[in-house]
Amino acid sequence: DAGVIQSPRHEVTEMGQEVTLRCKPISGHNSLFWYRQTMMRGLELLIYFNNNVPIDDSGMPEDRFSAKMPNASFSTLKIQPSEPRDSAVYFCASSLGGRAPRETQYFGPGTRLLVL
Amino acid sequence: GDSVTQMEGPVTLSEEAFLTINCTYTATGYPSLFWYVQYPGEGLQLLLKATKADDKGSNKGFEATYRKETTSFHLEKGSVQVSDSAVYFCALTLNQGGKLIFGQGTELSVKP
Repeated sequence: DAGVIQSPRHEVTEMGQEVTLRCKPISGHNSLFWYRQTMMRGLELLIYFNNNVPIDDSGMPEDRFSAKMPNASFSTLKIQPSEPRDSAVYFCASSLGGRAPRETQYFGPGTRLLVL
Repeated sequence: GDSVTQMEGPVTLSEEAFLTINCTYTATGYPSLFWYVQYPGEGLQLLLKATKADDKGSNKGFEATYRKETTSFHLEKGSVQVSDSAVYFCALTLNQGGKLIFGQGTELSVKP
């Protein structure tokens, strides 16, 4: 079975540009998570969805960040406008949701974003 | 607030040495506990987990026991291999199906 799919794997852009990261969760999973990983802050949750509905977006850094999940098989994380401090690895993860053992999260390979 | 604290790395060991990576947590409820591993250039993979006190998670020779009295979930392996070189993350979740709270990660380097 395919795991979580993220695209692009690498993105280099200039400050002020719009960046869109994409994620396809594992088929049948009900929950989807966006994480950001930096050296300074480690791994932090940005937002997560359950059944396509945003549940907790308290980790979204500011209004420049937005995330959508229009259907069960696709999610986007958009940064507009991008800034150099947004440079990080962005991970998408999905899970069956609910109680253990369904709660195990499966991570995608990540998108490495560099904003110049 | 809820948090996870791991021992700082990097940890450098020789092949076949014993490994311990300490992890302690602070949580308002009864969390599930996890160890994830991240190999260079890859995403995180679940290594093991435990969902209640005194449970032992194990996988690929790694073990960790959920100790409620000491709020700990230390990772151990009796004999490490070069292929175990990676970053190890301890994590907890309080809301079933909800977000993971990660420790800062511990980099392990195993030398032949």
